[in-house]
Amino acid sequence: KQEVTQIPAALSVPEGENLVLNCSFTDSAIYNLQWFRQDPGKGLTSLLLIQSSQREQTSGRLNASLDKSSGRSTLYIAASQPGDSATYLCAVRSGQAGTALIFGKGTTLSVSS
Amino acid sequence: DAGVTQSPTHLIKTRGQQVTLRCSPKSGHDTVSWYQQALGQGPQFIFQYYEEEERQRGNFPDRFSGHQFPNYSSELNVNALLLGDSALYLCASSDDLASYTDTQYFGPGTRLTVL
Repeated sequence: KQEVTQIPAALSVPEGENLVLNCSFTDSAIYNLQWFRQDPGKGLTSLLLIQSSQREQTSGRLNASLDKSSGRSTLYIAASQPGDSATYLCAVRSGQAGTALIFGKGTTLSVSS
Repeated sequence: DAGVTQSPTHLIKTRGQQVTLRCSPKSGHDTVSWYQQALGQGPQFIFQYYEEEERQRGNFPDRFSGHQFPNYSSELNVNALLLGDSALYLCASSDDLASYTDTQYFGPGTRLTVL
């Protein structure tokens, strides 16, 4: 059974810091991995989607990497801003679960000014 | 393009009651998935509808049922509500042709509180 773990559960940093969020999954047979952002009580916004054949994806200050063999992904946020404060969720789509997304519990990020 | 929409935004029910949540997919999408997100947890897959039929189901009891209409919109029904059903219910839509490769687009969610 595919399981997704995110570390740390919470993170507080001062504005301007570069930071890394971690995601691990137990079954490496995935179609793709996604990072989402969720503001309190709101829906999910897709940030980056990495297909199983790719190693990384970049969007603005965000960079996500994927190492399928080790079952790990990282989300790198450069020059963090208070507006980056949110919960970041990692989700995988794997053969076990068909087209369903399997989510981690998320990392709650707080960036102070 | 109006993205994924859900109604209502908030809902309060008592134990034992029944509830219906609604979702309209993003324009051009034909597949709708429902997720339950308890407080402090990641979303959990309930089921997916395509061509008006339940195509895939997660580990949820039969109290959770759904429907998809010819215009691709969908309903989630929960019977005999329990306190533990209190959660944010998220709807996501996608294009079946890209179901394994493309992102799912999520709506804003319906917050259900069971008292």
